[in-house]
Parts: sequence; C-alpha cells; structure tokens
Amino acid sequence: QVQLVESGGGLIKPGGSLRLSCAASGFTFSDRYMSWIRQAPGKGPEWVSYIGGGGTDVNYADSVKGRFTISRDNAKKSVDLQMNSLRAEDTAVYYCARGTRSGGDFWGQGTLVTVSS
Amino acid sequence: DVVVTQSPLSLPVTLGQPASISCRSSQGLVYSDGNTYLNWFQQRPGQSPRRLIYQVSNRDSGVPDRFSGSGSGTDFTLKISRVEAEDVGVYYCMQGTHWPWTFGQGTKVEIK
Repeated sequence: QVQLVESGGGLIKPGGSLRLSCAASGFTFSDRYMSWIRQAPGKGPEWVSYIGGGGTDVNYADSVKGRFTISRDNAKKSVDLQMNSLRAEDTAVYYCARGTRSGGDFWGQGTLVTVSS
Repeated sequence: DVVVTQSPLSLPVTLGQPASISCRSSQGLVYSDGNTYLNWFQQRPGQSPRRLIYQVSNRDSGVPDRFSGSGSGTDFTLKISRVEAEDVGVYYCMQGTHWPWTFGQGTKVEIK
C-alpha cells in the first residue's frame, strides 16, 4: 500500500536551515508528481511546492521562493525540501503528498517544524 | 491569488441529518485541459488531511457514498447525506487550477 513518511522536522532558530525528507513506498515513485504542503498551528493548509517525476518541473509558493528548494531521488524513492533562512512564520506541520492539482491522493503524517529563538 | 471562501465556518449537525458546505472561488476553476480542479478534504482531530472528493464530484476510494460533491464555475458544494459521529472534523475545499493552489478557511463540523 502507498506510504509516505516524513522526517527531519524539529526546533530551529530564525535564520537557520533544515532539510525535510519524505520516503515513499507502495507505488512507482518516478511516475508521480510529489508535493509539500504545510499547515501552521490552527490554520488551513498551504501548498508550498511540487516537483515532477523527472525532477525538472518545480514550483514554489511566493512565501518560500528563493529560500526553499524541492528535489527528489527516484532511486531512493524520496523527495526532499531544503529550507533556508527560516522565519517564525515557517512554523508548521509539513506534509508530503503524492500528486498535485487534484489535491494529492495520499498524504503523510507530517513533520513539525518550529522556528523560534 | 485565487481566494476560496467557505461557508459556514462552523456547522453543528444532528446525527443522521444532512449537512452542506459551500465553497466559492474568486475566479473560475476550469483549467486549460477542460477539467475543474476543485477538491474536498476532511481533517479529523489530530490527523492529516484526507482527500474525499477530487475534480468537483469524484469520490476517493473508501469514501462513504454519503459524501458527494457538486458545482461548477465558481460555486461548489460538499454534501453529507446523513452525518455520522466519525464525520466530525474540519472540511477544506481546495482549488488546483490556478497556482498557487489555495485552500478555503475550513468548516468545522460538530455534533449537536
């Protein structure tokens, strides 16, 4: 069955960097777009970024453009989110999801990122 | 950005009774491929969002048939024909037509 497991979250100071990873299983990973979505405490979700199966079709929300980088390793069946210059407003649970504009049919359990001094 | 507005934001419902959530977008949601990317999610307390409906009216595998989606253009609706206790949670609509894809504010469904 499809599984998405995020890791890499934690407490980080403003201005710091963190790399999130999502390990996928149960499907042909290289065939599918993947996304990162975040949800700040008590708020609705926000679509952060997506990446195509080949790794070249990528896009970012304006709120993270220039600071976050999405990448994937099809051999390892993983998708990463490198987050630099972190701000307090980046504090959220970050979810990995399979798919894009149809909403993502599978989501992981999420990993919490807290940006605080 | 496309603004997606849900109503109501809070929906107390009696068990076994129907419920309806409205979702309106600030722009039409027909994509260049002819599809309308309006999706619905359920988020139970302490859980990840779970997609219920994609492209307006297509129910995901395992989603009970008491959930249905409808609408077109800028106006969409999620209906629960008979609310059960397990339906408690927050429901979000999400548009995937115009980047950045955006979610509504959420509708909290609770049992009266």
